Parts: sequence; C-alpha cells; structure tokens
Amino acid sequence: GAGVSQSPSNKVTEKGKDVELRCDPISGHTALYWYRQSLGQGLEFLIYFQGNSAPDKSGLPSDRFSAERTGGSVSTLTIQRTQQEDSAVYLCASSLLPGGLITDTQYFGPGTRLTVL
Amino acid sequence: KQEVTQIPAALSVPEGENLVLNCSFTDSAIYNLQWFRQDPGKGLTSLLLIQSSQREQTSGRLNASLDKSSGRSTLYIAASQPGDSATYLCAGPPNTGNQFYFGTGTSLTVIP
Repeated sequence: GAGVSQSPSNKVTEKGKDVELRCDPISGHTALYWYRQSLGQGLEFLIYFQGNSAPDKSGLPSDRFSAERTGGSVSTLTIQRTQQEDSAVYLCASSLLPGGLITDTQYFGPGTRLTVL
Repeated sequence: KQEVTQIPAALSVPEGENLVLNCSFTDSAIYNLQWFRQDPGKGLTSLLLIQSSQREQTSGRLNASLDKSSGRSTLYIAASQPGDSATYLCAGPPNTGNQFYFGTGTSLTVIP
C-alpha cells in the first residue's frame, strides 16, 4: 500500500517568505509527527498530532512555526517569515496508534528539503 | 531534556563481519525503543521496535536489545553486507510523553 508522502520534495525560498509543507500519512494512521533534520544534526521533534489535535507542540522552535491537521489525515506545516536557519529537511511520520503510551512503529515520508536563501 | 548518544559515530567494516551499534539515553525512563536506518537523501526506514514489555527483537540478521534499567540499547548486525551501509538511528519516547528523542546516528560503511 501507499506509504507516507510529502510535498514538495524540494523547496527553495527567499528569506522572509512563508512556506507550506504538506504531509499525507498512511491511511488510517491516527498519529502524525513532524521532525526537522538540519545538516549534520540529529532529528529534532517539532509537533505531534493525535487525530486533528496537537497535544504536544513543545518542539516548535518559534511562533513562526505552526501546523494543522484536518480530517485526521493531511497535515501542513507552515513557516512564516522564513529565516536561513530554517533550512533543513522536514520529515513527517505516521503511526497507527499514538506513540508513548500506546506504542507503534513510526513510518516516515521521504522529507521536504527546504532551502532559505 | 533527554539526550541520546550513539556510539560509534562512524564505523567501517569489511563484508561478513558481525557488528554492534550502541545507543544510550540520559534519562532511562523511556517507554520503548525503535531502530531506524536512513539512506542518503532518503527518509527513515523502521527496522525494529522493542515494546515496553520486551527486552529484545529480532528480524533476519538484526537483533536489538533494550536494558531499560540503564537506558541502553544495542543493535547487532550479523554477517554484514554492503547493502547494510547507511546511517542507523535509535529513538524512543519517555514514559510520560509522545515525543520521540533521536540519537545523532551511526554511519556504517560495509566494504565489499
């Protein structure tokens, strides 16, 4: 079956512009995660969705970052007024059950490479 | 904040060797432990998930163990192959949350 998909695969933008990154999780997966991987760095947790709600937003680096999920499916990560330090690969993952208390494997998308000039 | 250390950071071995990758958490109160591989320019592929009630998991040539008392996990790869070359990442959530903390990975190169 189809895996997690993300779009666009690459995004080049100018400093100060807003960008939207999209994640389509595996159908039926209730949990959805966003991560950021900067060059030479480990994966940094950004936000977690259980259904359409985000019980944990602790990882969002600033108020320029926001995310939403609709219909318990597609999620968008929005970065406003992009800065050069936002350049990274943004990865999305989904799991059938929420991680932590009721655990399950996370399935990752291929990522969106964001470059802010 | 949870810190995850993976040792070694890089490893190069000849084909056929058995090898061990290590992962340790500063806070041993992790709920479960998942190992991933990441190929260059690609997303992560799940290898093994050790549930909270388990101590190890096996899949083919891979065996992962988890010692929750010490917050340490090892990934054992038997009879390594060039196709095993990738970066290996460990990750786990705390007992009280859903955030997965990732290590910085071990870059493995298996030489034919």
